[in-house]
Amino acid sequence: NAGVMQNPRHLVRRRGQEARLRCSPMKGHSHVYWYRQLPEEGLKFMVYLQKENIIDESGMPKERFSAEFPKEGPSILRIQQVVRGDSAAYFCASSPPQGRDTGELFFGEGSRLTVL
Amino acid sequence: AQSVTQLGSHVSVSEGALVLLRCNYSSSVPPYLFWYVQYPNQGLQLLLKYTTGATLVKGINGFEAEFKKSETSFHLTKPSAHMSDAAEYFCAVSQNTNAGKSTFGDGTTLTVKP
Repeated sequence: NAGVMQNPRHLVRRRGQEARLRCSPMKGHSHVYWYRQLPEEGLKFMVYLQKENIIDESGMPKERFSAEFPKEGPSILRIQQVVRGDSAAYFCASSPPQGRDTGELFFGEGSRLTVL
Repeated sequence: AQSVTQLGSHVSVSEGALVLLRCNYSSSVPPYLFWYVQYPNQGLQLLLKYTTGATLVKGINGFEAEFKKSETSFHLTKPSAHMSDAAEYFCAVSQNTNAGKSTFGDGTTLTVKP
């Protein structure tokens, strides 16, 4: 399956711990997007990355959240010192270079974070 | 700036009946418009999209949507609902300057009754 791969699918953390969510884009895709879905809400844009570059992080909370997409390996969304309000589904999406013209996003199945 | 409003967080139809899910958008530049479907505990799957050209677009599973600029709408329709259509549907808008950065509506849950 060459789709967008996210792991873990489910993650439980206690308040104050760190959460790391990983995303491998589809083969041939160079753009990665992270979205957050709170219960009963739509998806909210967080960050847009290309290899080794953060292109747009206007949706990222100012503190505790960071994202990277290294030259080798998956993209990682890191949440430090998690709080209960961070409980959500975090979706990664990717697009090919030419996909910037049409905006079609290919989504992973999401990582569901629960903070106790 | 861009935004999306989906009218009706829950829609219920009988099997075989018309499906109509409403979406209105605002955008300061010509928009790209999308409908995605999400099944429980899964990611989003693209149903259809409008970028330029023909305003009536056809997607997968018999769905279609019409871009109406004068009404700033992009409603999703299907002539005859099937039980397998039960899911959550999201309308999204983006701009050609950053087409991948989409703004999503809050979603509409479609229930199909036998």
